[in-house]
Amino acid sequence: AQKVTQAQTEISVVEKEDVTLDCVYETRDTTYYLFWYKQPPSGELVFLIRRNSFDEQNEISGRYSWNFQKSTSSFNFTITASQVVDSAVYFCALSETQGGSEKLVFGKGTKLTVNP
Amino acid sequence: NAGVTQTPKFQVLKTGQSMTLQCAQDMNHEYMSWYRQDPGMGLRLIHYSVGAGITDQGEVPNGYNVSRSTTEDFPLRLLSAAPSQTSVYFCASSWGGHQETQYFGPGTRLLVL
Repeated sequence: AQKVTQAQTEISVVEKEDVTLDCVYETRDTTYYLFWYKQPPSGELVFLIRRNSFDEQNEISGRYSWNFQKSTSSFNFTITASQVVDSAVYFCALSETQGGSEKLVFGKGTKLTVNP
Repeated sequence: NAGVTQTPKFQVLKTGQSMTLQCAQDMNHEYMSWYRQDPGMGLRLIHYSVGAGITDQGEVPNGYNVSRSTTEDFPLRLLSAAPSQTSVYFCASSWGGHQETQYFGPGTRLLVL
């Protein structure tokens, strides 16, 4: 069984604050992939990052950074100096292969509101 | 490239009616899938296809039917709509399965009365 938990349902911050969105996953596989997607108020789903289970190196992309820790089964996402345009729902997702069948499971999402 | 397109954008159905949600992609992706998004539930996989002529069930397949006659198109059929199928439906495609980046369509908002 696989499961993705985003414990923070909603987060509200003031512009320029740093914010971390948590993602904890469960899997029995040794090979799996983790993703983050952003869904702004307009409704589309925007890909942010993909990480495989063998690559624990943290990644930084502008104001975005991701911390992958296999020891705690976490793949957290940090936005530095948040901006109003970062307001969105953010989804963490896990992909693994079970019995030759691949499945992608999303967390329930964290709604981030950045206030001016 | 148009990417992944979905029609219609919004639809209202009465209970028991049938309809087809259209999805097309022009990226020559082999892999396509359908998700539904409900408040507080994230996205859940309905059906997916690994190539023309091959489909499989996801997490919540009941009440939905799919077929894949071409690489480009992956329609989702509601056989007899129920209020529980009120949701936002997203189609996605990728190069090689769920481990690859999914490219999502803009979504179809469906209301079943």
